[in-house]
Amino acid sequence: GDSVTQMEGPVTLSEEAFLTINCTYTATGYPSLFWYVQYPGEGLQLLLKATKADDKGSNKGFEATYRKETTSFHLEKGSVQVSDSAVYFCALSDETGGSYIPTFGRGTSLIVHP
Amino acid sequence: KAGVTQTPRYLIKTRGQQVTLSCSPISGHRSVSWYQQTPGQGLQFLFEYFSETQRNKGNFPGRFSGRQFSNSRSEMNVSTLELGDSALYLCASSYRGSGETQYFGPGTRLLVL
Repeated sequence: GDSVTQMEGPVTLSEEAFLTINCTYTATGYPSLFWYVQYPGEGLQLLLKATKADDKGSNKGFEATYRKETTSFHLEKGSVQVSDSAVYFCALSDETGGSYIPTFGRGTSLIVHP
Repeated sequence: KAGVTQTPRYLIKTRGQQVTLSCSPISGHRSVSWYQQTPGQGLQFLFEYFSETQRNKGNFPGRFSGRQFSNSRSEMNVSTLELGDSALYLCASSYRGSGETQYFGPGTRLLVL
């Protein structure tokens, strides 16, 4: 079945550092790929998405490129802020027999120090 | 637009009891999906309802069930609670279905004693 693997956390960075959170996936079809962010005590919210190969999703300084050849969707940000501290989830949605079953990674906790 | 709302936010039950959780989607959204989030298993898809019909289902036992009303509000029921059902239950809505961007509620934290 489909799966999403993302790097274990926590990732601890100083403010203004460069961020990369790795995400790779396996899917039988041509999935859409997503990054969601969860702040403490809240539900997940969409950060960015890409629906086909070579698409780049971007939002709030975060970027991720859909790489079909490496089955990856790594999240990057050039300069993190304390307010970026949260848990980040990579996810895919793939059609199987007419059904869409979303699959999420385990989440990567990001801690940014001033 | 108001976001996805879930009630109650916190719940404590004992083994063997049943529980019903409620979710109100964003206005105009016809799809409601339910997820279970635990430290051990992460975020797992339970099921999706669209226009009052269950359209997709994850790999959970029959003790987990749901329904959707004509106004798109949804309820999730868990019968014969087990300790392992302790989790954060998240509801998400979308306009067309679970294949597109999900808009999540804050969740219901269920503790089974």
